[in-house]
Amino acid sequence: GDSVTQMEGPVTLSEEAFLTINCTYTATGYPSLFWYVQYPGEGLQLLLKATKADDKGSNKGFEATYRKETTSFHLEKGSVQVSDSAVYFCALASGTYKYIFGTGTRLKVLA
Amino acid sequence: NAGVTQTPKFRVLKTGQSMTLLCAQDMNHEYMYWYRQDPGMGLRLIHYSVGEGTTAKGEVPDGYNVSRLKKQNFLLGLESAAPSQTSVYFCASTEGSYGYTFGSGTRLTVV
Repeated sequence: GDSVTQMEGPVTLSEEAFLTINCTYTATGYPSLFWYVQYPGEGLQLLLKATKADDKGSNKGFEATYRKETTSFHLEKGSVQVSDSAVYFCALASGTYKYIFGTGTRLKVLA
Repeated sequence: NAGVTQTPKFRVLKTGQSMTLLCAQDMNHEYMYWYRQDPGMGLRLIHYSVGEGTTAKGEVPDGYNVSRLKKQNFLLGLESAAPSQTSVYFCASTEGSYGYTFGSGTRLTVV
């Protein structure tokens, strides 16, 4: 079945460092891919998405490119801030209405 | 603001008690979901609904029941709460492959 694998956390970075959180997937066909962010005590919020191969999703300085050849959707940001500290989830749309989530990667940014 | 509203936000139950969690969405979404989130285990799907009057089991349905009598509401019931059901519960909805909208969660403790 479809699945999502993301890197184990926590990831600890200094402010203004470069961020990469790896995400790879297994799926039949070409699913839409997503990154969600969860701030402490809150629900998940959609951060960005890509619906087809080579699409780049972007939002709030975060980017991820849908790579069909490597079945990956890695999240990147050029310069992280303390306010980016959160848990990040990679997900894919498995069929029309069911989504598969990774286990989440906690990011901690130090001032 | 439009979105997904969960009630209550917090609840403490004694083992064996019952309760119902309410999820309401005002976006006219067809699909609704209940997840639980436990430390280190990401999100696990409990039950979902693909339209008014329909429900289906997810990966961890035991001990829970659901109902979708109205399109905008999705209820999650615990008939006889157990300590293993201590968790944070999230409701989500979507119209398709465009991403979920999540509620802010219900933190349930069973003692």
